[in-house]
Amino acid sequence: NAGVTQTPKFRVLKTGQSMTLLCAQDMNHEYMYWYRQDPGMGLRLIHYSVGEGTTAKGEVPDGYNVSRLKKQNFLLGLESAAPSQTSVYFCASSPGLGRHFGDGTRLSIL
Amino acid sequence: SQQGEEDPQALSIQEGENATMNCSYKTSINNLQWYRQNSGRGLVHLILIRSNEREKHSGRLRVTLDTSKKSSSLLITASRAADTASYFCATDWTGANNLFFGTGTRLTVIP
Repeated sequence: NAGVTQTPKFRVLKTGQSMTLLCAQDMNHEYMYWYRQDPGMGLRLIHYSVGEGTTAKGEVPDGYNVSRLKKQNFLLGLESAAPSQTSVYFCASSPGLGRHFGDGTRLSIL
Repeated sequence: SQQGEEDPQALSIQEGENATMNCSYKTSINNLQWYRQNSGRGLVHLILIRSNEREKHSGRLRVTLDTSKKSSSLLITASRAADTASYFCATDWTGANNLFFGTGTRLTVIP
């Protein structure tokens, strides 16, 4: 049972490039989330999904897009990366209240 | 910001001692959760306490909640080196489609 798996684990991008972060969960959870973690800021919610085919904005959605075409996958896209998006990105899934987190993607934008 | 605030920001203790960390929040909540994060890893859910509960135990963990003071504490008894990690509180409330995390307490347990 892998839980929540994020790929890639590390990535370096140049300003203006695009990329997609993949999150996969094998626990059949309805809810999935994308957070970013920055020093001194705690975790901030970017986007979330309450079920297959649904997405909604969180606290800091600007510059990101998401898709949930399959229940087990939640994709986070950066269309035109900016240095301010340098962060550690965490995906989480949940059957209700508690969150199950992946181990993160460390993203640097130069 | 609606997030909780943990106190202290950092705590260093000897193995075998107890560790206490606190969380304060701003709004009336439905639930408060505590998570642990080891270096380079994702957060792990430890315990959830509901707004109508005052104390909850799980193994060596004891969580208290004082809704009148809008605060919670996490006590780790008989600490071990493996407890070295950052600990975060997170709150949710009616109407919030989100779980708001604090900035964490970094605990170091010295063997």
